[in-house]
Amino acid sequence: DAKTTQPNSMESNEEEPVHLPCNHSTISGTDYIHWYRQLPSQGPEYVIHGLTSNVNNRMASLAIAEDRKSSTLILHRATLRDAAVYYCILREYSSASKIIFGSGTRLSIRP
Amino acid sequence: DTEVTQTPKHLVMGMTNKKSLKCEQHMGHRAMYWYKQKAKKPPELMFVYSYEKLSINESVPSRFSPECPNSSLLNLHLHALQPEDSALYLCASSQVERGELFFGEGSRLTVL
Repeated sequence: DAKTTQPNSMESNEEEPVHLPCNHSTISGTDYIHWYRQLPSQGPEYVIHGLTSNVNNRMASLAIAEDRKSSTLILHRATLRDAAVYYCILREYSSASKIIFGSGTRLSIRP
Repeated sequence: DTEVTQTPKHLVMGMTNKKSLKCEQHMGHRAMYWYKQKAKKPPELMFVYSYEKLSINESVPSRFSPECPNSSLLNLHLHALQPEDSALYLCASSQVERGELFFGEGSRLTVL
């Protein structure tokens, strides 16, 4: 299974952008890049996913390197509610595949 | 309805008890998952069901027995558990191919 590497923790200020990096050097051509986050005492929630092109949604943006070996989740204006553990995950295109969580990045937001 | 509902939210059981965790979704998803999460750790995949058939078992001990009686329901039967099995058990569902996972809030299990 292709693996991802993320920093253990990051800190940011409220109302500033946050860039959360993820390395996935062994990614295969059929792997989608998914991001989830887990708020305290809750199950993980989906944030965004992409294959090759950069993606935007109401929660965040996903920037994918041209060689697909890394990606960056961008929160454009962090709020205190964005404090969570963020997981970068690779998901195979076909079938109900193994979706393996790495250790994630614990994001803290300073007021 | 974009919810995955897990019951019970909390469960305390002895090592000789038999209990079950339940998970329900009505999004038409045909893939369902069980994860186990210990404190301060990422979720660990246990089982994956695809079209009501077990497709992945991550070498989980037989004291955990999954069951998918129909496309909306997923159960996890528990028997003769150990204290180290105490954890948050998360259920998720998704389209079989691609698609994001929708997680429930989990069932917190304590084994005495």
